[in-house]
Amino acid sequence: AQSVTQLGSHVSVSEGALVLLRCNYSSSVPPYLFWYVQYPNQGLQLLLKYTSAATLVKGINGFEAEFKKSETSFHLTKPSAHMSDAAEYFCAVSPPNTGTASKLTFGTGTRLQVTL
Amino acid sequence: GAGVSQSPSNKVTEKGKDVELRCDPISGHTALYWYRQSLGQGLEFLIYFQGNSAPDKSGLPSDRFSAERTGGSVSTLTIQRTQQEDSAVYLCASSLWQEQFFGPGTRLTVL
Repeated sequence: AQSVTQLGSHVSVSEGALVLLRCNYSSSVPPYLFWYVQYPNQGLQLLLKYTSAATLVKGINGFEAEFKKSETSFHLTKPSAHMSDAAEYFCAVSPPNTGTASKLTFGTGTRLQVTL
Repeated sequence: GAGVSQSPSNKVTEKGKDVELRCDPISGHTALYWYRQSLGQGLEFLIYFQGNSAPDKSGLPSDRFSAERTGGSVSTLTIQRTQQEDSAVYLCASSLWQEQFFGPGTRLTVL
């Protein structure tokens, strides 16, 4: 079975500071990995995904994540936080699949607060 | 183009009543998923439809929950004899390949 652990349910950073949201996975084979963002009262929006191509993945809104097999990690970073980044972030995992999509297993989420 | 839509956006019901939640996926997407988001359980997978294959029902929490997908498009999630613990936001997603596109969700409150 696959699982995802997100360390830190709440993270607070100053505007302009580095954002680092942690995600570790457990899987018998290297999975596909995703980061989603959820703004209040909205659905989930995909930020970026790793599907066994480049290990450093760039996503929308200046976010990126690096797949590290040796550390079973897929941490999300952004060099400079903006107030509009305040939201809840979910890491998710699915089985590696070269065909159609598979169900996602989500972490518990990290709420990012950005302060002035 | 249009994204995934869900209706109703909010539903308040009394314990013991049945409810139906609707999902309209993105046109052409072959896979459709239902997830549940609640404070106590986080985001949980419920059921998954892929083309004409038998659905993956492994996430349904009890036999009070069922779902169908008609004509390979619209899906309805039905909860019978609702309980207070069913209160949650029910999210639908659709996909063609790996990326799942989510709808805004239906917030279900069981009184």
